[in-house]
Amino acid sequence: AQSVTQPDIHITVSEGASLELRCNYSYGATPYLFWYVQSPGQGLQLLLKYFSGDTLVQGIKGFEAEFKRSQSSFNLRKPSVHWSDAAEYFCAVAGAAGNKLTFGGGTRVLVKP
Amino acid sequence: EAGVTQSPTHLIKTRGQQATLRCSPISGHTSVYWYQQALGLGLQFLLWYDEGEERNRGNFPPRFSGRQFPNYSSELNVNALELEDSALYLCASSGGQGQLYQETQYFGPGTRLLVL
Repeated sequence: AQSVTQPDIHITVSEGASLELRCNYSYGATPYLFWYVQSPGQGLQLLLKYFSGDTLVQGIKGFEAEFKRSQSSFNLRKPSVHWSDAAEYFCAVAGAAGNKLTFGGGTRVLVKP
Repeated sequence: EAGVTQSPTHLIKTRGQQATLRCSPISGHTSVYWYQQALGLGLQFLLWYDEGEERNRGNFPPRFSGRQFPNYSSELNVNALELEDSALYLCASSGGQGQLYQETQYFGPGTRLLVL
């Protein structure tokens, strides 16, 4: 069965500082990997996804993520955080195209001025 | 292009009642997914419909059911509501032309259900 772990429940960063959110997955084959962001009271917005090919993927809002098969990780990064990046971030895995998503527990990001 | 829409935005019911939640997918998408986001339980997969058929079901009791209509919109029905059904219910859609679309789920804003 597939699973996703986001080890950090909360992260606080200063505006302008870099951000890295950790995601570890468990799946037997090459998974489809996603990062979504959820602002308070809102639905989920897709930040980026990895299906195959280049292991460093670029997303919206200046985010990028790197797939590392050897570490079963798909960490999300942003070089310089803006106050509007304060939200909850979810990593997700799908075992096959169009199949259900399994989500991590989420990481809540707080941005200090 | 319009995104995934859900109605109502908020729904208040009492224990034992039935709730009906609605979802309209992105135009051209044939798959609809339902997820529950309950406090302390995270995001959990409920149901997946594609071309009018139920394709997969999460670990939820039978009182959670749904259907997909010929226009690909979908309803989620929750019967005999319990207090712990209070949650944000998110609908997502996928599909359309081309491989890049089929694997990605796009989410609506959700329906917040409160059971009293």
